[in-house]
Amino acid sequence: EAGVTQFPSHSVIEKGQTVTLRCDPISGHDNLYWYRRVMGKEIKFLLHFVKESKQDESGMPNNRFLAERTGGTYSTLKVQPAELEDSGVYFCASSYRGGGSYGYTFGSGTRLTVV
Amino acid sequence: AQSVSQHNHHVILSEAASLELGCNYSYGGTVNLFWYVQYPGQHLQLLLKYFSGDPLVKGIKGFEAEFIKSKFSFNLRKPSVQWSDTAEYFCAVNWGGATNKLIFGTGTLLAVQP
Repeated sequence: EAGVTQFPSHSVIEKGQTVTLRCDPISGHDNLYWYRRVMGKEIKFLLHFVKESKQDESGMPNNRFLAERTGGTYSTLKVQPAELEDSGVYFCASSYRGGGSYGYTFGSGTRLTVV
Repeated sequence: AQSVSQHNHHVILSEAASLELGCNYSYGGTVNLFWYVQYPGQHLQLLLKYFSGDPLVKGIKGFEAEFIKSKFSFNLRKPSVQWSDTAEYFCAVNWGGATNKLIFGTGTLLAVQP
């Protein structure tokens, strides 16, 4: 089966610009998660979709971040306007039903650099 | 608050040495436990997981981990490392609930010298 696909793999933008990251989960996986790793820190949860609904967005840093999953398929994560501290690697993961009992598959990540 | 601690941030070993990476989580309840590995330039891959049953879990590439409930620990072990095990290793815990989110440790960078 195809894995979780993320693009772009790298993005370099200037402070104040907008960037949109995309994640295509494994087909049939209703659960989609976004995580972020800022350099030197742990991987942190951002939010969780079940199909097109946001189940938990408690990890979203602020209102400059907007995640969507229209139609319950792929998801986008938009950062507008980007700030320097948004730099990091953004991971997407998907799971069949609840990942806690079924496991999670991660994408390769998008490395975002804000300059 | 839920948290996961990995005690070793950088580990350097020679080939054939034994490996043990520590992982502790903040409190009990029903937990699902994971170890992920990220090889240079690659994505996070699952090494092994524990949901229930035998607390000694065997994973891929000769790795194993032992869940000790009384110590809130899930340490990763490998009896003899290879140069190809050079990677970053992450312990992660899911406490269940509606979100099923993972809480990660800070990661351990392992460098194996030939």
